[in-house]
Amino acid sequence: DIQLTQSPSFLSASVGDRVTITCRASQGIYNYLAWYQQKPGKAPKLLIYGASTLQSGVPSRFSGSGSGTEFTLTISSLQPEDFATYYCQQLNSYPPWTFGQGTKVEIK
Amino acid sequence: QVHLVQSGAEVKKPGASVKVSCKASGYTFTGYFIHWVRQAPGQGLEWMGWINPNNGDTDYAQKFQDWVTMTRDTTISTAYMELSRLRSDYSAVYYCARGGYGDALDIWGQGTMVTVSS
Repeated sequence: DIQLTQSPSFLSASVGDRVTITCRASQGIYNYLAWYQQKPGKAPKLLIYGASTLQSGVPSRFSGSGSGTEFTLTISSLQPEDFATYYCQQLNSYPPWTFGQGTKVEIK
Repeated sequence: QVHLVQSGAEVKKPGASVKVSCKASGYTFTGYFIHWVRQAPGQGLEWMGWINPNNGDTDYAQKFQDWVTMTRDTTISTAYMELSRLRSDYSAVYYCARGGYGDALDIWGQGTMVTVSS
């Protein structure tokens, strides 16, 4: 199975900061990567698919990049509503379509 | 609007079974897979498997193969996930989500908390 490792696992940042989260895959997955945001007690929300395509309705301060084994999610200017846990998920070829362990973004 | 609405919280004893439902609305039910994702308390997301509502085909992550069964009823646009031989470490929130084969999960249900306790 393909493993995904996110870094950091925890991030403390201030409103207005630029934030970058990395997701590394144990083998190449082309651009079959999605990013989700989850707030406490809520279902995850799709932010980005195909490594870099913004889901409809998601603010443009979110962006994704990468291919192969290394991917990043960037929030250009952190807003109060962005404090949440972020997960990557790989969707390459055959299942299981594993998730990363998550990155919790908290207020500094 | 596209929605997935799941059944309510369940409390079960070890060894019992539970069936969670996921009702789709606002789109063609047979046009997208339904995936199931588990989240144990305080933990991350685990992909469990999918069902193709069009033909009933399923694929489960190996970890869940022995205790999960996914089915669907196209007449009422509802997918089901049955968990059998429940253990206390199966206590978690279970989500259904819409996607395709290899597509991101764009619509999620609200989650169903399953508690296994004697």
